[in-house]
Amino acid sequence: KQEVTQIPAALSVPEGENLVLNCSFTDSAIYNLQWFRQDPGKGLTSLLLIQSSQREQTSGRLNASLDKSSGRSTLYIAASQPGDSATYLCAVRPFGSGYSTLTFGKGTMLLVSP
Amino acid sequence: SQTIHQWPATLVQPVGSPLSLECTVEGTSNPNLYWYRQAAGRGLQLLFYSVGIGQISSEVPQNLSASRPQDRQFILSSKKLLLSDSGFYLCAWSAGRGYTDTQYFGPGTRLTVL
Repeated sequence: KQEVTQIPAALSVPEGENLVLNCSFTDSAIYNLQWFRQDPGKGLTSLLLIQSSQREQTSGRLNASLDKSSGRSTLYIAASQPGDSATYLCAVRPFGSGYSTLTFGKGTMLLVSP
Repeated sequence: SQTIHQWPATLVQPVGSPLSLECTVEGTSNPNLYWYRQAAGRGLQLLFYSVGIGQISSEVPQNLSASRPQDRQFILSSKKLLLSDSGFYLCAWSAGRGYTDTQYFGPGTRLTVL
């Protein structure tokens, strides 16, 4: 059974720092991996989707990488801002999963202080 | 553009009472629909998904049920709530377009069972 782990569970950094969030998964047989952002008490917003054949995706200050063979992904946030404070969730779509079902990690809670 | 609505936003119910949460999607047709639960200290757990009217797949056996009476309406129900049903319930939709399919989440319903 696919399991997704995110480390650290929580991270606090001062504004302006570059930071890396980690995600690992136990089964490399995946279609893709997604990073989501969740603000407190809110739904999820998709940030980046990486197909299994891709190595990375970029959107603005965000860069996500995927090493499928080792079961790892990282989300790099450049020049962090207080508005980046949120919980970041990683999810994979396993092979054989029906109709886009995803397996999520528990998330990393990020706090960026001014 | 597509939008997804959930209501109510917050709900407090006694143990043993019934439950009905509603999710509707606008601006698309024949979406895949999903119900997730996010409990404290646990990751996002897929409860049900649906690929069409009247077609429901259950991922986790429990005292909850789901129905899809209309193309863009998804309902989560229970006849008798348990304390363990407390959590944050998220509805999501996707277009179902193969490997690049992305899920879009609603604002969520916070359910507290007392």
